[in-house]
Amino acid sequence: GAVVSQHPSRVICKSGTSVKIECRSLDFQATTMFWYRQFPKQSLMLMATSNEGSKATYEQGVEKDKFLINHASLTLSTLTVTSAHPEDSSFYICSANKQGIGYEQYFGPGTRLTVT
Amino acid sequence: KNEVEQSPQNLTAQEGEFITINCSYSVGISALHWLQQHPGGGIVSLFMLSSGKKKHGRLIATINIQEKHSSLHITASHPRDSAVYICAFPTGTASKLTFGTGTRLQVTL
Repeated sequence: GAVVSQHPSRVICKSGTSVKIECRSLDFQATTMFWYRQFPKQSLMLMATSNEGSKATYEQGVEKDKFLINHASLTLSTLTVTSAHPEDSSFYICSANKQGIGYEQYFGPGTRLTVT
Repeated sequence: KNEVEQSPQNLTAQEGEFITINCSYSVGISALHWLQQHPGGGIVSLFMLSSGKKKHGRLIATINIQEKHSSLHITASHPRDSAVYICAFPTGTASKLTFGTGTRLQVTL
């Protein structure tokens, strides 16, 4: 149990376009989901905390208008990278907390975004 | 001083060796995760523990809350164990994770 999926796993887009990444908890409800990005050989960097039914909380230095997060249901959160630029190319990972169990966190397989 | 430190940063072992990765932290925590990340990126949660010891197959995780230290052991290591191993713990009311810097393990034949 406790599976988190991400879609797509890889995406290549042109500079200036927008890309949406989905994060789904498949067999549990997640009131909180987290979005991370990771550069090569570096640790995960938290971008934002997504709570179902409310606005996401962004970490310092993360542009909320560029990285739009929507957590419309207890099983789905989306991250939209708007007006993507090559420097947005990165590995994006989501994780989800099981509802009612704050410390159990499950990770998605990640999405590799390449902006050309 | 960093809140969490992992050692070693890099580790090369021969197949069959017993491996230990350490995680020390300086803040009070209630639980600690051990995560595995293979080349190509996906993260797998290996353990979440708040006390004592947990075992899953060839993997063993221990934690000493008083000493603020956790270890991940791999018995009879295999090349498929080659990955980055990361310890992490939740902080704050939002359960945001603080991550260690990771240990890059390479197991050779």
